[in-house]
Amino acid sequence: DIQMTQSPSSLSASVGDRVTITCRTSQSISSHLNWYQQKPGKAPKLLIYAASSLQSGVPSRFSGSGSGTDFTLAICSLQPEDSATYYCQQSYTTPRTFGQGTKLEIK
Amino acid sequence: DVQLVESGGYLVHPGGSLRLSCAASGFIFSIHEMNWVRQAPGKGLEWISYISSSGNTIYYADSVKGRFTISRDNAKNSLYLQMNSLRGEDTAVYYCARVHYYNSSASFDYWGQGTLVTVSS
Repeated sequence: DIQMTQSPSSLSASVGDRVTITCRTSQSISSHLNWYQQKPGKAPKLLIYAASSLQSGVPSRFSGSGSGTDFTLAICSLQPEDSATYYCQQSYTTPRTFGQGTKLEIK
Repeated sequence: DVQLVESGGYLVHPGGSLRLSCAASGFIFSIHEMNWVRQAPGKGLEWISYISSSGNTIYYADSVKGRFTISRDNAKNSLYLQMNSLRGEDTAVYYCARVHYYNSSASFDYWGQGTLVTVSS
């Protein structure tokens, strides 16, 4: 199975800040990497697919980059509603493993 | 609008069985691959099963292989998860999720609201 390592596991930032979350995979997955946002009590929401493509309806302050084994989710100009847990997921092979999550708190 | 609505979650004893359903609407269900993903209380997301659009190709996570069975009825726009020999560690919210493809790269673009399965004596 492909192992996913997200960092940091949690972070705190202020409104207007720029933050980055990284995801490293145990083997190369090309660009088969997705990012999801999950708020408490809600289903996950797709933000970024294929490493860098923005899902329809997602604000442009979210962006993704990377390929191979190292990927980054960036959120610029943080807003209060960005408080959530963020997960990466590989779709290169089965099982479709997820990272352990990064909890983002807005100060 | 695309909608996925799970149902069937309940409190069940260890060793018991349960069948989850996911009702799809707002899109052509029969052409989309589907998945089940679960989330134990306070934990992360765990993919557990995949089914192709026709139902001919199926995959399971090792944690549920041999105990869970995924299926679909395209005439009823429904996805199912039959869960047998349930254990405490199966306690989780179970989500159904639709597959979206872009340049052969898959993602889960729509999710249901989830249904809670509790396995306890």
